[in-house]
Amino acid sequence: NAGVTQTPKFRVLKTGQSMTLLCAQDMNHEYMYWYRQDPGMGLRLIHYSVGEGTTAKGEVPDGYNVSRLKKQNFLLGLESAAPSQTSVYFCASSSVFYEQYFGPGTRLTVT
Amino acid sequence: RKEVEQDPGPFNVPEGATVAFNCTYSNSASQSFFWYRQDCRKEPKLLMSVYSSGNEDGRFTAQLNRASQYISLLIRDSKLSDSATYLCVVNNQGRDDKIIFGKGTRLHILP
Repeated sequence: NAGVTQTPKFRVLKTGQSMTLLCAQDMNHEYMYWYRQDPGMGLRLIHYSVGEGTTAKGEVPDGYNVSRLKKQNFLLGLESAAPSQTSVYFCASSSVFYEQYFGPGTRLTVT
Repeated sequence: RKEVEQDPGPFNVPEGATVAFNCTYSNSASQSFFWYRQDCRKEPKLLMSVYSSGNEDGRFTAQLNRASQYISLLIRDSKLSDSATYLCVVNNQGRDDKIIFGKGTRLHILP
């Protein structure tokens, strides 16, 4: 039982490049979330999903897209990376709308 | 008033001492409350839920004060390993489904 996993763990992008972050959970959770965490800003919700095939915007969705084609996976895409997207990205899942379990994070640097 | 507020600290506390910190929330309709712990460069992990009747888990006690709209976390006989950032989480289930993370309180336990 791996819980919540994220790939990759680290990534360096150049401005304008695109990439996809993958989150996978093996707990059969309905809800999944993507957060970013920046110094002094706390965790901010980017997008979330309440079930397979559904997604919704969070607090800071601009510049990101997501997809939930399978219940266990939640993908976060950056179509054209910007330096402002340098951050630590955490994925989380939950069986109801609380008690979230987090992945280990992806450290992204955009130069 | 911010939705969820925490004293950022740091709280520098000698080993063995008792430390407590609060988290205030603005929405009186908030229904679920949690404390998470986050170690440096790691993901947040659920520490404990906060029930109306209070919740105790070993050296940790969490309490909810609905009248004054705050939750508290008390750590007794603090250990060096308690050094971390403690995040308060408030969930507004219902009409305004929203999970809000506080920015965290940093705790340093001194030997």
